[in-house]
Amino acid sequence: SQQGEEDPQALSIQEGENATMNCSYKTSINNLQWYRQNSGRGLVHLILIRSNEREKHSGRLRVTLDTSKKSSSLLITASRAADTASYFCATAGYSTLTFGKGTMLLVSP
Amino acid sequence: GAVVSQHPSRVICKSGTSVKIECRSLDFQATTMFWYRQFPKKSLMLMATSNEGSKATYEQGVEKDKFLINHASLTLSTLTVTSAHPEDSSFYICSAKPGTGRETQYFGPGTRLLVL
Repeated sequence: SQQGEEDPQALSIQEGENATMNCSYKTSINNLQWYRQNSGRGLVHLILIRSNEREKHSGRLRVTLDTSKKSSSLLITASRAADTASYFCATAGYSTLTFGKGTMLLVSP
Repeated sequence: GAVVSQHPSRVICKSGTSVKIECRSLDFQATTMFWYRQFPKKSLMLMATSNEGSKATYEQGVEKDKFLINHASLTLSTLTVTSAHPEDSSFYICSAKPGTGRETQYFGPGTRLLVL
């Protein structure tokens, strides 16, 4: 299985702090994606990093990928209360996505 | 960006009835659509992959006679939960992409099913 495993399962921080979530996977991938899900809602695609990339930025998001360690991290800088959500990594094989268990992030005002 | 819709967003039904959920790609032709299931505070589990005009490919452990998938056009896939039972209560999410390879999947907003 190439299911991603997020770490930590839950994270609680104050507004303005940075939040870091990690994801590990088991097999080779084409790319790794991060998604956000607000409670009871659909998924929002945040960022995609390809297997030949090591780091990618998008606004307050920074994603790293270490294929030798089969791991990725998502950093949210200067967090806001509106960032409160569950965050999932998903590894992409040729055609399908496999989701990790997710990290629940709570940002308190 | 590409938009995928689902209908209904919520459904409550009695045990033993069948429920149909629609997934539509609104601004692109979806060669491939996926159906996921998500239990509360859990991850998404892929149920099946459907390609337009052909039979769906089900993941291990998913009953194809229980969860009927039809991908009759390039913009519509349906998931029918037959003879629903309370354990089928879940959040069902579809996604779609324009090809069969490495294209980005676009996710629908999900359908909350509650079986009484």
